[in-house]
Amino acid sequence: DAGVIQSPRHEVTEMGQEVTLRCKPISGHNSLFWYRQTMMRGLELLIYFNNNVPIDDSGMPEDRFSAKMPNASFSTLKIQPSEPRDSAVYFCASSAPSQGGEKLFFGSGTQLSVL
Amino acid sequence: GENVEQHPSTLSVQEGDSAVIKCTYSDSASNYFPWYKQELGKRPQLIIDIRSNVGEKKDQRIAVTLNKTAKHFSLHITETQPEDSAVYFCAATQAGTALIFGKGTTLSVSS
Repeated sequence: DAGVIQSPRHEVTEMGQEVTLRCKPISGHNSLFWYRQTMMRGLELLIYFNNNVPIDDSGMPEDRFSAKMPNASFSTLKIQPSEPRDSAVYFCASSAPSQGGEKLFFGSGTQLSVL
Repeated sequence: GENVEQHPSTLSVQEGDSAVIKCTYSDSASNYFPWYKQELGKRPQLIIDIRSNVGEKKDQRIAVTLNKTAKHFSLHITETQPEDSAVYFCAATQAGTALIFGKGTTLSVSS
């Protein structure tokens, strides 16, 4: 298995632009998580899905952020409009029910820079 | 919701010394406590975990201890090596919820 696949690896955009981050979880994993990493705040949970259904989105900063999981093999995190304070590394992770659903496998992350 | 505090934020040791990182959690219902290691520019990866029915777990040079009464758990690395240099994250969760991470400890091992 190729692991959790995220794209793009790097994204540089200007303030006000729409940004879409993409994630393909490991096949067979039924939980998917989006985390944001910054030096100041560490790894923050944004949202997580179980069987494609959003379970907890309390970490989504504001209405500018939205996430979808249309099927078991794909999820997107969208920021519209983007702001400089959104600059961070965004990680997607997935977990399998056979492992208690707790062990996370992370993607390589998307380094987002909003100018 | 769960809140995880991690200390220290940075730790510098000499090669061969031991390193200890401590975490506290707030939700007494949490029952799973993993540790992740993140090397520079890489993704976090699980290195060891412990469940609430166990007080200590060891894997070669790393060990984790858990005190449920006090709601804290610790990572111990013995005989540190330069390749142990990384950011270490503790986390806590219970069934049906997502992992909540501490803010991380940057460990530097100098030879």
